Amino acid sequence: DTGVSQDPRHKITKRGQNVTFRCDPISEHNRLYWYRQTLGQGPEFLTYFQNEAQLEKSRLLSDRFSAERPKGSFSTLEIQRTEQGDSAMYLCASSLMLTRGVRDEQFFGPGTRLTVL
Amino acid sequence: QQQVKQSPQSLIVQKGGIPIINCAYENTAFDYFPWYQQFPGKGPALLIAIRPDVSEKKEGRFTISFNKSAKQFSLHIMDSQPGDSATYFCAAGPPGSARQLTFGSGTQLTVLP
Repeated sequence: DTGVSQDPRHKITKRGQNVTFRCDPISEHNRLYWYRQTLGQGPEFLTYFQNEAQLEKSRLLSDRFSAERPKGSFSTLEIQRTEQGDSAMYLCASSLMLTRGVRDEQFFGPGTRLTVL
Repeated sequence: QQQVKQSPQSLIVQKGGIPIINCAYENTAFDYFPWYQQFPGKGPALLIAIRPDVSEKKEGRFTISFNKSAKQFSLHIMDSQPGDSATYFCAAGPPGSARQLTFGSGTQLTVLP
């Protein structure tokens, strides 16, 4: 399967601990997005990368959150000092931008479900 | 305003029925309107998308109707099947080839056999 993969699929942690999630995009996709989805809601944009450059960050991305895509391939999302309000599904998506101005389809991974106790 | 409002929250139809899900937006700068389907434990998957220069787009059993003046768009599922039971999200994207999507809150569709 060459879709977007995320690891782990589930993470349970205690408040105050740090967690890190990994996303492997579809091979050769140059754009990678992180979204957060809470129960009963649609995904909310967090940040996105084009290759290794982080081009946009949402106001939802507090200073406890950091994302990297060091070699323009996989990405990590770290949450420091987790809070109960961080409990959510964290979704990764990737896309291939071929032509400037042409919308590229975002393919989503299965998500990492985080539970903060 | 970046909000996209989606209704209804849940919908139950009989097999063969035509469920309709509606979305409304406020930001007139949005120029891309996709619909996603999400099954439990899975990420959203793109179903169909439309741009504001057309009023309707069909792909298989799925149709998007778009009303630019009313800032509304809707998804119709023809000849619905139990396998269509899922959560459907509308979304809107600002101009530009990438940019983040703003999602509606979702509609949980159940198609009874």
